[in-house]
Amino acid sequence: DIQMTQFPSTLSASVGDRVTITCRASQDISSWLAWYQQKAGKAPRLLMYKASNLQSGVPSRFSGSGSGTEFTLTISSLQPDDFATYYCQQYNSHVTFGQGTRLEIK
Amino acid sequence: EVQLVESGGGLVQPGRSLRLSCAASGFTFDDFAMHWVRQAPGKGLEWVSGISWNSGTIDYADSVKGRFTISRDNAKNSLYLQMNSLRVEDTALYFCTKELGYCASTTCYGFDYWGRGTLVTVSS
Repeated sequence: DIQMTQFPSTLSASVGDRVTITCRASQDISSWLAWYQQKAGKAPRLLMYKASNLQSGVPSRFSGSGSGTEFTLTISSLQPDDFATYYCQQYNSHVTFGQGTRLEIK
Repeated sequence: EVQLVESGGGLVQPGRSLRLSCAASGFTFDDFAMHWVRQAPGKGLEWVSGISWNSGTIDYADSVKGRFTISRDNAKNSLYLQMNSLRVEDTALYFCTKELGYCASTTCYGFDYWGRGTLVTVSS
């Protein structure tokens, strides 16, 4: 099975900061990767699909890049609404989620 | 408006069975693959199972293979998860989710709509 490793596990940042979350696959998954945001007590929200495609309605401050085994999610200028937990998901072979990155206020 | 409403969760003893349902509305149900994703209390997301639009392709996580069965009834706009031989480690909030785009298999883009989840607690 394909393992997905996210880092950091926790990220402390301030409003206005540029932040990057990394996701590494245990084997080549091409661009078959999605990113989700989840707030406490809520269902996840799809942010990006096929590594770099912004889901409809998601602010343009979110961007995704990468292919193969290394992927990143970048938030260009953090807003108060962005403090949440973020998950990557591969769907090249079955489906696997990363363990999550908690983005907290510094 | 797309809505996914799960039901069927509850408290069950280890070894017993439970059947989850997901009622879908607001989109053409039989155009899209559907999935179940779970989240144990305080933990991350775990994909459970997926089914293509016509039930032709079905996939399971290793942790539930042989115990859980996913199915769908396109005439009723409904998704199901039959869970047998339940274990304590199956305790989680179970989400019903929809594939973003048309997909011949089960997953091509990601999951764009999620229900609120139904809680399954396995305990003696």
